[in-house]
Amino acid sequence: ILNVEQSPQSLHVQEGDSTNFTCSFPSSNFYALHWYRWETAKSPEALFVMTLNGDEKKKGRISATLNTKEGYSYLYIKGSQPEDSATYLCLSGSARQLTFGSGTQLTVLP
Amino acid sequence: DTEVTQTPKHLVMGMTNKKSLKCEQHMGHRAMYWYKQKAKKPPELMFVYSYEKLSINESVPSRFSPECPNSSLLNLHLHALQPEDSALYLCASSQVTGRDNSPLHFGNGTRLTVT
Repeated sequence: ILNVEQSPQSLHVQEGDSTNFTCSFPSSNFYALHWYRWETAKSPEALFVMTLNGDEKKKGRISATLNTKEGYSYLYIKGSQPEDSATYLCLSGSARQLTFGSGTQLTVLP
Repeated sequence: DTEVTQTPKHLVMGMTNKKSLKCEQHMGHRAMYWYKQKAKKPPELMFVYSYEKLSINESVPSRFSPECPNSSLLNLHLHALQPEDSALYLCASSQVTGRDNSPLHFGNGTRLTVT
């Protein structure tokens, strides 16, 4: 089983703060890295899919980077808002196997 | 609203029952997935269908039986389940592009309780 790890497990920030969290994955046989946001009582929503070393993606206040050689991806949220509160999951895999990390639970306090 | 529809939203079944979970999408996606998610754990992949053929079975017990009758539908037939099978079952779909760069589109899940 592919060992995909996320840190921190949970995070509380104040509204307006910027924050970031990490997804680590084995760099061998890397194929793709996905980020999902999962709000309570909703379905997971895709944020980004990245495949190339050095990829950077941005969607509004959220951005992500990818380093396939060292096996990590960062997700950044600029100026956090209460509606950003959710669990953020990364998904990494080879052509044969996709595995979710355990997630980072973000709470943005008003 | 999600473009992947799962029914039912909640299901309670006994260990001797037979039931089915259903998933439907009309986005033209040719890959469909079943995931199982237990509380405070990440979703775990169970099955993947590609072009209506089972391509991945992650050593799932035979009491779970997937079926993909056409490109829009995915079923999960349940029989003789155990209480530890109680979980949220998520369906997802994606395009098949030849590279693993298509995002997954998830349904809202079926919350299954086995008594």
